[in-house]
Amino acid sequence: DTEVTQTPKHLVMGMTNKKSLKCEQHMGHRAMYWYKQKAKKPPELMFVYSYEKLSINESVPSRFSPECPNSSLLNLHLHALQPEDSALYLCASSQARGLGGYTFGSGTRLTVV
Amino acid sequence: AQSVTQLDSQVPVFEEAPVELRCNYSSSVSVYLFWYVQYPNQGLQLLLKYLSGSTLVKGINGFEAEFNKSQTSFHLRKPSVHISDTAEYFCAVSGVVPAGGTSYGKLTFGQGTILTVHP
Repeated sequence: DTEVTQTPKHLVMGMTNKKSLKCEQHMGHRAMYWYKQKAKKPPELMFVYSYEKLSINESVPSRFSPECPNSSLLNLHLHALQPEDSALYLCASSQARGLGGYTFGSGTRLTVV
Repeated sequence: AQSVTQLDSQVPVFEEAPVELRCNYSSSVSVYLFWYVQYPNQGLQLLLKYLSGSTLVKGINGFEAEFNKSQTSFHLRKPSVHISDTAEYFCAVSGVVPAGGTSYGKLTFGQGTILTVHP
C-alpha cells in the first residue's frame, strides 16, 4: 500500500459546527503532516507529527486541533471555523526524517459557511 | 534557511511541443529536490526527486529534471507534452530543521507554475 487516504473528500460546515478530517497510511511512515492550501497557492505547513508526537505547530489557531491516535492515523479536529478557513487540507506522510520526500493524500476540500 | 523560486507562474504551450519549467533553489546545507504535480482539486503527486548521484533525473509521465549545483537550478523538462499534462507544478526543496528536541526534513515549496497545454 503506497497511498495516503483522506476522508471525507468534501466537507461543508457551519461556523458553529465541530467536524474532523481523517488521514490514514499503511506505509510504515513515522512522520505525518497537515497542510492547508488556498487556491493558486502552494501548500502551507500546519502541523508535523513524528513518532506520534506533535513536533511542529506553525502557529495555527486553536480552532484546529490535531491528533495522532497511532502510527497510521492522523486526525484534524475543527471547531468554530471562519469562512477564511475554507481551503484544501492535505495530509502527507514520510519516512522519519522526511528528507526523501513526502507522500500526499488527495485532500479534503473544506467550505465554511 | 532554504527557499525555492519558480521563475514562471504560467506556461502556455501547444500539444506535442517541448516544455521547460524553471526552478531555482537556495539552501545552506545538503540539497534534496523534488517536483510535484497537482491536477485540479487533487493532492500532490511526486513526479521525480534528486537526492544524490546522477544529476539527470527521470520521473513519471516522461518528465525529467537536471540538477545544476553551480547554477542552483532544478529545471523540469518534457520533450513532447500532452493535453493531460495540464496541471500545476511545484518545485520543492527538503532540508533538516530542528523540531522539539529532534529534527525533521522540512519541505519548502515554490509558488507553483501552471502549465496549460493547448490543442
